[in-house]
Amino acid sequence: DVKVTQSSRYLVKRTGEKVFLECVQDMDHENMFWYRQDPGLGLRLIYFSYDVKMKEKGDIPEGYSVSREKKERFSLILESASTNQTSMYLCASSLFNRENTEAFFGQGTRLTVV
Amino acid sequence: AQTVTQSQPEMSVQEAETVTLSCTYDTSESDYYLFWYKQPPSRQMILVIRQEAYKQQNATENRFSVNFQKAAKSFSLKISDSQLGDAAMYFCAYRGTNFGNEKLTFGTGTRLTIIP
Repeated sequence: DVKVTQSSRYLVKRTGEKVFLECVQDMDHENMFWYRQDPGLGLRLIYFSYDVKMKEKGDIPEGYSVSREKKERFSLILESASTNQTSMYLCASSLFNRENTEAFFGQGTRLTVV
Repeated sequence: AQTVTQSQPEMSVQEAETVTLSCTYDTSESDYYLFWYKQPPSRQMILVIRQEAYKQQNATENRFSVNFQKAAKSFSLKISDSQLGDAAMYFCAYRGTNFGNEKLTFGTGTRLTIIP
């Protein structure tokens, strides 16, 4: 089974802190993604990466950065956490292959910034 | 840019009945993939069904089937014989086929309640 693992299920941080959300996948997928999920807004793409050290901005990259130093790991960084970044964060990975288009998701990290 | 619209924030259905969730999308691409994902209270996103745009035949997976209307850019999900375990948020999603454009674009979701 493909597994996408996020380092924390729940996280509480203070305003201004630097926050790292870690995501690891075990199926050698090229693509990795970070989404933010808010009620009524669905999932919005923050950043994605299609290869090591490659990254592309998604729809809402402001206030976030990412790092992908190894193929299996994709980190989301909140440089200075703010209360409007309180949300559910979902990591996903997928293989670039016409016959295997499914994206696999982690269980999400519910981040609260106080 | 692609957009996905789910116009039903909430739906409910009696157990064992059939329900249809709506989804429309906008794209200028001719080849792409469409998905329905389910997110139960456990938060784990699970793929329900996928459709390749180049295939005219509607996808089916057991009790789940889609009505794919490419010209109308419509992609609805039909759940037959609804079960209590079908209660979840359902998200419609679009994905392109070009390298570097494989991000999923999601709709805002439909919360499905099953009435016993």
